[in-house]
Amino acid sequence: GENVEQHPSTLSVQEGDSAVIKCTYSDSASNYFPWYKQELGKRPQLIIDIRSNVGEKKDQRIAVTLNKTAKHFSLHITETQPEDSAVYFCAAMPEGGYQKVTFGTGTKLQVIP
Amino acid sequence: DAGVTQSPTHLIKTRGQQVTLRCSPKSGHDTVSWYQQALGQGPQFIFQYYEEEERQRGNFPDRFSGHQFPNYSSELNVNALLLGDSALYLCASSLEPFRGGNYNEQFFGPGTRLTVL
Repeated sequence: GENVEQHPSTLSVQEGDSAVIKCTYSDSASNYFPWYKQELGKRPQLIIDIRSNVGEKKDQRIAVTLNKTAKHFSLHITETQPEDSAVYFCAAMPEGGYQKVTFGTGTKLQVIP
Repeated sequence: DAGVTQSPTHLIKTRGQQVTLRCSPKSGHDTVSWYQQALGQGPQFIFQYYEEEERQRGNFPDRFSGHQFPNYSSELNVNALLLGDSALYLCASSLEPFRGGNYNEQFFGPGTRLTVL
């Protein structure tokens, strides 16, 4: 089955700096990679996703890159703000009818004002 | 649209008991997945229901079972509860791919916090 590794487990940055979270996956059949943000006590919420036919995707201050050959993908947050503080999860899944999503172990991001 | 809803929000049980958790999917969604999220961990896939059938299952024992109703709502049942079953149980809904749309995107409910004593 799929195995997703995520690093680092914790990340502290100064407000305004950039944050980068990296993930690797094992199953070459995976071709959809969502990222979720989970604030304390709340549900995971999709913040950005990328499909394997795209190498990079950007949405305002958030970007995701994918290297399918190396089986790794990364989340980049620029100009971090205190409200970006949360736990971020990467995930991988095959695109198709059976949506078994495998999550990474999470990165706790703290943005220091 | 209320989005994905789950009930109850919190639940306390003792070892050996049985529990039923409920989920109503987002309007227009027909596929429901269940996840277990232990403290400090990422969600772990339990199973997925579509057309009232379980069509994908993660590495969970048979003590975990589910059901989907004709209105697409779903239940998760856990028998013979163990201390290790204490976790946040998340339900996520999505659109079955052959009906079109962004079928990969899953919307999560707020979860049910289960504590087993």
